[in-house]
Amino acid sequence: KQEVTQIPAALSVPEGENLVLNCSFTDSAIYNLQWFRQDPGKGLTSLLLIQSSQREQTSGRLNASLDKSSGRSTLYIAASQPGDSATYLCAVPFQGGSEKLVFGKGTKLTVNP
Amino acid sequence: DGGITQSPKYLFRKEGQNVTLSCEQNLNHDAMYWYRQDPGQGLRLIYYSQIVNDFQKGDIAEGYSVSREKKESFPLTVTSAQKNPTAFYLCASLRSSGTLNTGELFFGEGSRLTVL
Repeated sequence: KQEVTQIPAALSVPEGENLVLNCSFTDSAIYNLQWFRQDPGKGLTSLLLIQSSQREQTSGRLNASLDKSSGRSTLYIAASQPGDSATYLCAVPFQGGSEKLVFGKGTKLTVNP
Repeated sequence: DGGITQSPKYLFRKEGQNVTLSCEQNLNHDAMYWYRQDPGQGLRLIYYSQIVNDFQKGDIAEGYSVSREKKESFPLTVTSAQKNPTAFYLCASLRSSGTLNTGELFFGEGSRLTVL
């Protein structure tokens, strides 16, 4: 059974700091991994989708890496801003190429001005 | 603009009443999903549909029902049998890249249901 863990559950940093959020999963036979952002009371916004054949994806100040063999992904946020404050979630397929996704519980990020 | 529209945004229900949450997408996606989010629990899958007129139970389907009569629409009914229905409900659809589940999931803004 696929399980997804995100550590830490919460993180508080000063503005301008570079930071890394972690996501680990138990079944490494996945086709992709997706990172999301969720603001309070809102839906999830897709940030990055990494295919199993890729090792990383970049979008602006965000960089996500994927290491299937170790069952880990990281989301790197450069030069953090108060507007980056949100909960960040990762999700992987239940197994292999399953259409069902399993989500981590998220990391709540607070960037202090 | 393409996207997923959920309505209503907030809903209050008395115990014993059924309520239907609407989810409409104009992204031309085949697969659609309903998730429930509770504080500290993460997202849990209620139902999903890969194609019109077909749907499958997720991990917590008891007390819920769905239909998929049109590609664009995937309404969720929270029945009186659902013992703890107060939650934030999220609808999503999958943009498939053609191969098995290498697609990207997109979400609506959510519906918050409160049972009084």
